[in-house]
Amino acid sequence: DTEVTQTPKHLVMGMTNKKSLKCEQHMGHRAMYWYKQKAKKPPELMFVYSYEKLSINESVPSRFSPECPNSSLLNLHLHALQPEDSALYLCASSQVGLTGKADTQYFGPGTRLTVL
Amino acid sequence: AQRVTQPEKLLSVFKGAPVELKCNYSYSGSPELFWYVQYSRQRLQLLLRHISRESIKGFTADLNKGETSFHLKKPFAQEEDSAMYYCALSGRTDKLIFGTGTRLQVFP
Repeated sequence: DTEVTQTPKHLVMGMTNKKSLKCEQHMGHRAMYWYKQKAKKPPELMFVYSYEKLSINESVPSRFSPECPNSSLLNLHLHALQPEDSALYLCASSQVGLTGKADTQYFGPGTRLTVL
Repeated sequence: AQRVTQPEKLLSVFKGAPVELKCNYSYSGSPELFWYVQYSRQRLQLLLRHISRESIKGFTADLNKGETSFHLKKPFAQEEDSAMYYCALSGRTDKLIFGTGTRLQVFP
């Protein structure tokens, strides 16, 4: 399996809901990422996990809570979101090189989130 | 500060014309540079990385450290090249910093 998969493809939620986004890869990659992409804008990094440990948090609001239960899975738990959080949420994964730095990132198709 | 600049939001050419998508970067060190492409309704995917020095789908990109540029070129554009192209930089950390992107439109 050489792809990053994400579920669901689409999600509509109210501001009081709790939902989760899921990302999975079976390429043996040990770095995984969450990005947020608004329409016609580049992806913005949210979180990086390296060897299942959170290594980068780009000052993301606490209503977004990442989780990496194992080396193949990455979740993003959502709670009390705002309408401005509506966006395409992308997951990516990469190998970690011998220097400890991540290699080329491979992206999933994204989850399109709408917050009402 | 690490920064990637793509000065053109939109580049329109006719099929068979040469294409150059510009990318300039700001980084104090030895960066890794990438070009990612996003075709309509498809996922973001790697097109080129500078260390591999290969040609993909007829595209090439050369890292010019003196001019801090990594422009993407193709001698003869095809309609299927129409897409959003992002230049990206990777520095000392695992962060990938994207430029604002250039939409390439190739007309028949």
